[in-house]
Amino acid sequence: AAGVIQSPRHLIKEKRETATLKCYPIPRHDTVYWYQQGPGQDPQFLISFYEKMQSDKGSIPDRFSAQQFSDYHSELNMSSLELGDSALYFCASSLGQSRSPLHFGNGTRLTVT
Amino acid sequence: TQLLEQSPQFLSIQEGENLTVYCNSSSVFSSLQWYRQEPGEGPVLLVTVVTGGEVKKLKRLTFQFGDARKDSSLHITAAQPGDTGLYLCAGAGGGSQGNLIFGKGTKLSVKP
Repeated sequence: AAGVIQSPRHLIKEKRETATLKCYPIPRHDTVYWYQQGPGQDPQFLISFYEKMQSDKGSIPDRFSAQQFSDYHSELNMSSLELGDSALYFCASSLGQSRSPLHFGNGTRLTVT
Repeated sequence: TQLLEQSPQFLSIQEGENLTVYCNSSSVFSSLQWYRQEPGEGPVLLVTVVTGGEVKKLKRLTFQFGDARKDSSLHITAAQPGDTGLYLCAGAGGGSQGNLIFGKGTKLSVKP
């Protein structure tokens, strides 16, 4: 079965650079969620989209923005990168917003040097 | 602020032993989920518990939701090396159902 696809799998950037992470949800899933997981930490909710509209916002820094496109894929844009942004970034998708289980991708490991 | 505390943080046992992982909160959650995460991979949903007192079984794994819906436990019977991984509990954070608050996780190592 198709899963959530994230690209790239690994990304190395320098401080103050920008990065774009992509997420392709499971076919027919209309909701995507972004999470950040620091080393040895639990995942922290950043933001979510339902039907191309932002549906919820968590601890996403102002330097980050995200959107969901007409084909339901989503991109997380990160600017003015800081060392502390180094983390695993997970995208999850679900069908609708009501008790539909989340399916996580395998994440993008971002390293900021 | 809703918090989920998991214990123990680390657990190293021999194959065949039983174990229980706990997930506690002072807040009431409409549902709790348990995930398992392998290194370098995303969390994989194991189960969702919704009703207070609910017990769900998944082969050798037994999940229980507390009567007051503030705590949950995961019991593994006759653990196997393949059970090794990070076990995370998560509850809905009050926003959308995907706005999950995760516990810090229990890192389980099962030695043959």
